[in-house]
Amino acid sequence: DTAVSQTPKYLVTQMGNDKSIKCEQNLGHDTMYWYKQDSKKFLKIMFSYNNKELIINETVPNRFSPKSPDKAHLNLHINSLELGDSAVYFCASSPLSGSPYNEQFFGPGTRLTVL
Amino acid sequence: EDQVTQSPEALRLQEGESSSLNCSYTVSGLRGLFWYRQDPGKGPEFLFTLYSAGEEKEKERLKATLTKKESFLHITAPKPEDSATYLCAVDNYGQNFVFGPGTRLSVLP
Repeated sequence: DTAVSQTPKYLVTQMGNDKSIKCEQNLGHDTMYWYKQDSKKFLKIMFSYNNKELIINETVPNRFSPKSPDKAHLNLHINSLELGDSAVYFCASSPLSGSPYNEQFFGPGTRLTVL
Repeated sequence: EDQVTQSPEALRLQEGESSSLNCSYTVSGLRGLFWYRQDPGKGPEFLFTLYSAGEEKEKERLKATLTKKESFLHITAPKPEDSATYLCAVDNYGQNFVFGPGTRLSVLP
């Protein structure tokens, strides 16, 4: 069974559209994250949620909005998509934010292509 | 600003040829240093966490070590299936993870 799942795996869309990526974890973890991996393969954290509360919000355009309906889900909504948003987006979860055992478990990624 | 660098950027080894990957970090405070493996088209897969200088962890052909400024991932007698990108990340007490750019390892049969 998949521990951290994301849908869709591929997303191709036009500039200016609004899209969402869904993430679910069945590990019982308290903290979930969104990362962006650009074409140079650099992983950069975007958001961190702990028990449905936003903990980290790095310098990300406000066109990106995470939404956590419950502890097991963290969805990413992107408005007015731009060419520079093309990347692979990874969802991750970890047992407890602030815990010394903060290993993160990653989903398979969503490759977003904006045309 | 917290920074993580990794070297080399890419490494090609013959099967059985042992080597080491380096992760150097500059952070305001280190709660933990993590090593991940990433295969093409997949998410990073957790390998190790190191918490304090002098600590070592081993898993099969991999051994990770930590000093106050850097970490090494030693690969002993690698096999082709060890080919992947190896990522280092630090937890800097800000409930934040800073990833390095990775080392792309190719092990040739």
